[in-house]
Amino acid sequence: AQSVTQLDSQVPVFEEAPVELRCNYSSSVSVYLFWYVQYPNQGLQLLLKYLSGSTLVESINGFEAEFNKSQTSFHLRKPSVHISDTAEYFCAVSSYNNNDMRFGAGTRLTVKP
Amino acid sequence: ETGVTQSPTHLIKTRGQQVTLRCSSQSGHNTVSWYQQALGQGPQFIFQYYREEENGRGNFPPRFSGLQFPNYSSELNVNALELDDSALYLCASMGVNSYNEQFFGPGTRLTVL
Repeated sequence: AQSVTQLDSQVPVFEEAPVELRCNYSSSVSVYLFWYVQYPNQGLQLLLKYLSGSTLVESINGFEAEFNKSQTSFHLRKPSVHISDTAEYFCAVSSYNNNDMRFGAGTRLTVKP
Repeated sequence: ETGVTQSPTHLIKTRGQQVTLRCSSQSGHNTVSWYQQALGQGPQFIFQYYREEENGRGNFPPRFSGLQFPNYSSELNVNALELDDSALYLCASMGVNSYNEQFFGPGTRLTVL
């Protein structure tokens, strides 16, 4: 079975600063990787995903994540954050032939003015 | 295109009671998964339904049960409620050949007193 570890439970950062949210996964088979964002009192929204091909994937709002197979990581980065990026971020993994998605415990990103 | 919807939004029950939560999948999606998200944690996979059959189950006791209907909507039933069942219950749907990408509803907040 797969598992996900998000290495930071909370990340405070000032507006316009860069940020990295770290995610490591464990799996004995090939996987799909996802980052979801959750705003207060809402469900999860897909931010970006890695399925295959290029190891660098980007979202429409400036986030990017890089799949590193040798380090089994899928860290999320943004070069300049905004107040509106304040939210909970979840890394998730799903194997090719397994239908359940495993989530990390989440990282709370707080962007301060 | 209608997204995933869930009802009710909030629910308060007492220990020992039974509860039914409902989910309508996104248009064109034939697979529905249910997740439990306790406060401060990531979502935990409960089970998945595909074409009205259970298609995978997480580490939850049998008092958690479900149904999927011909229109692909779904119900989650929990019997003999316990205090620890208090959580946000998320429904997610996905379509055919979606590489396990799941689309989440806003959730139902269940409080057990």
